Amino acid sequence: DQQVKQNSPSLSVQEGRISILNCDYTNSMFDYFLWYKKYPAEGPTFLISISSIKDKNEDGRFTVFLNKSAKHLSLHIVPSQPGDSAVYFCAAANFQGAQKLVFGQGTRLTINP
Amino acid sequence: DSGVTQTPKHLITATGQRVTLRCSPRSGDLSVYWYQQSLDQGLQFLIQYYNGEERAKGNILERFSAQQFPDLHSELNLSSLELGDSALYFCASSVGRGLPYEQYFGPGTRLTVT
Repeated sequence: DQQVKQNSPSLSVQEGRISILNCDYTNSMFDYFLWYKKYPAEGPTFLISISSIKDKNEDGRFTVFLNKSAKHLSLHIVPSQPGDSAVYFCAAANFQGAQKLVFGQGTRLTINP
Repeated sequence: DSGVTQTPKHLITATGQRVTLRCSPRSGDLSVYWYQQSLDQGLQFLIQYYNGEERAKGNILERFSAQQFPDLHSELNLSSLELGDSALYFCASSVGRGLPYEQYFGPGTRLTVT
C-alpha cells in the first residue's frame, strides 16, 4: 500500500526555467510533509517542509504547496540550476503518532543547460 | 554535511552472517531512525529510538534489532543475512520532540550480501 506516491519517475527541465515536482498521498492522518534531495552515494538532504495547517512555504528558490483537499503537494524550484539535478523524495508523517517518515518512490530531476 | 555519521560506508559479507551498523546522531538530537533503501522498495522505515528507548517500529524483520546507547549513538544489528538484505541502510536523527520535525540523514551504509 503506497501511501505516498510520486507518479513521475523522471523530469527534465531547462536551466533557468521552473521545475515542478508532484506528490500525492492517501493517508489523511499525515500532518507534516517534507522534501528531500538525494545525490548518488549520499544520504537524503532535507530541503523544505510544510505543516498541514499551511498551504505554502517558501525558502529561497524552493516553494512547497499543499492542497489538503486533493491530498497533493508540489515542490517548485525557480530558477532551476544544473546543481539541482538529483533525485527528489517527498515524505509525509503523522507527528501525533509515530514520527516515521513515509517516502515516495522519488523523481529524478535533470536540469539541461 | 548533515552532522550524522555512519560507519562503515561499505560492508560485504556472506549469507548467514551477522553485521552491526553504527550511527552517531547530530549534536543535540535525541531521536535516531533507521531506514532501508533497496532497489525495488524505496526508503522504508525500520525503527526509531528516542533517548535510549524504542519509540516506533516499522517493517523491521525479526532477524534485525537495534539499540540506542546512553551517549545516543545507535547500532543496527542484522543477523542470519540473506541475499535480499543487500541494500543501503540510512540512519537519521532529529530533535525528537516537537518542532522542528525534520530528520537529517547520514551518508548510509551499503550492505552487500553474497
